[in-house]
Amino acid sequence: NAGVMQNPRHLVRRRGQEARLRCSPMKGHSHVYWYRQLPEEGLKFMVYLQKENIIDESGMPKERFSAEFPKEGPSILRIQQVVRGDSAAYFCASSERTGSEEQYFGPGTRLTVT
Amino acid sequence: DAKTTQPPSMDCAEGRAANLPCNHSTISGNEYVYWYRQIHSQGPQYIIHGLKNNETNEMASLIITEDRKSSTLILPHATLRDTAVYYCIVPRKAGGTSYGKLTFGQGTILTVHP
Repeated sequence: NAGVMQNPRHLVRRRGQEARLRCSPMKGHSHVYWYRQLPEEGLKFMVYLQKENIIDESGMPKERFSAEFPKEGPSILRIQQVVRGDSAAYFCASSERTGSEEQYFGPGTRLTVT
Repeated sequence: DAKTTQPPSMDCAEGRAANLPCNHSTISGNEYVYWYRQIHSQGPQYIIHGLKNNETNEMASLIITEDRKSSTLILPHATLRDTAVYYCIVPRKAGGTSYGKLTFGQGTILTVHP
């Protein structure tokens, strides 16, 4: 039973480029959550999505960041025109039930902006 | 989320029980207590949750006081692989609605030594 999958595990981008992070939830899970962990800081909620819907994006920066979870395929977190401050670990989690706090996390994508 | 207070660090000898406390004195009647852990550089891992009764699963036990103002996570036979940051989270509910947004504080760094 595969867990939450994220790819790539490591991503290096130059300033100004775009970063695309992918998340495939656990089988049977249709709710996806994205979190960010900046160096030496705690995990911060970014966005909660269901298939084709953004439910809560209260933690998303207002500019350059977007997320989607299409009917088919993985959830995508997109960061446009990356800056050094975007360097962080980005974790995706999934749940079986709506807005559940019992979430299963992936291994994360470590983004480095040079 | 309801405010939680945890000790910043704890030590435990391998094979002994690790008892991790958490204070959540502002918890409301319908709010659950969740425990997660994050092993270095990995994604957070769900451990257990409870409302008012004690809970046990294959990973740990959760003891919640009768007044629900505090709880203790028990790892009955700690191993070196249990070294991690442990987070106690009480997600806030409004009108019984769960939002799935986890707020991770500083947690307790548990070090299990040989």
